[in-house]
Amino acid sequence: GAGVSQSPRYKVAKRGQDVALRCDPISGHVSLFWYQQALGQGPEFLTYFQNEAQLDKSGLPSDRFFAERPEGSVSTLKIQRTQQEDSAVYLCASSLGRPTDTQYFGPGTRLTVL
Amino acid sequence: EDQVTQSPEALRLQEGESSSLNCSYTVSGLRGLFWYRQDPGKGPEFLFTLYSAGEEKEKERLKATLTKKESFLHITAPKPEDSATYLCAVQAKGETSGSRLTFGEGTQLTVNP
Repeated sequence: GAGVSQSPRYKVAKRGQDVALRCDPISGHVSLFWYQQALGQGPEFLTYFQNEAQLDKSGLPSDRFFAERPEGSVSTLKIQRTQQEDSAVYLCASSLGRPTDTQYFGPGTRLTVL
Repeated sequence: EDQVTQSPEALRLQEGESSSLNCSYTVSGLRGLFWYRQDPGKGPEFLFTLYSAGEEKEKERLKATLTKKESFLHITAPKPEDSATYLCAVQAKGETSGSRLTFGEGTQLTVNP
C-alpha cells in the first residue's frame, strides 16, 4: 500500500521567507510525528499528534516553528522567517497509535535556506 | 535525559566479512529499542523493535540483540546491498516522553564487493 508521502521533496528558501512542508500519513494511522535531521546526524524529535491533537511540541526549536493537523490526517509544518540554521531534512512519520507501534517514515523534505 | 550513542561512526567491510554495530543507551525506563536502515536521500526504513533484555530478532543477514545497557546489530556475511546508515532509537516510558523516538547519530556501513 501507499506509504507516508511528503511534499515538496526539496525546498530552497531565502533567509526570512516562510515555508510550509506537507505530510500525508499512511491511511488509518492515528499518530503523526515530525523530526528534523541535520546532515550526518540522526533524526531529532520536533512534535507529535494523536489525531488532530498536538500532544507534544517540546522539540520545536523556536516559536518560528508551527505544526498543525486540523482534520487528523494531513499535517503541515510551517517555519516562519527562515534562518540558515533551519537547513535540514524534515522527516514525517506515522503509526497506528499505540506507543510502541512502528513509526513509518516518509522520504523527507530537504530544506535549504540561503 | 535519554541518550543514544552508536559506534563505530563508520564501518567498511568486505563482502562476506561479518561484524557488529553497537548502540549504547541511557533511558529512565525503556519502552522499546528500534533499529532503522537509512539509504541516502530516503527516510529511515524500519528493521526491528526490541522490548526487553535478552530479546533477539533476526531478518535475513541481520540479527539484533538487547541488554540492559546496549543493543547490537550483527551482520552476517554482508552483501554490497547492505550498505546504508543504520540508526538506533529508544522510546522511554512515561507520560512526558510520549511516543517520541530518541535517535543515535548512526553507523554508516559500506560493504565492498
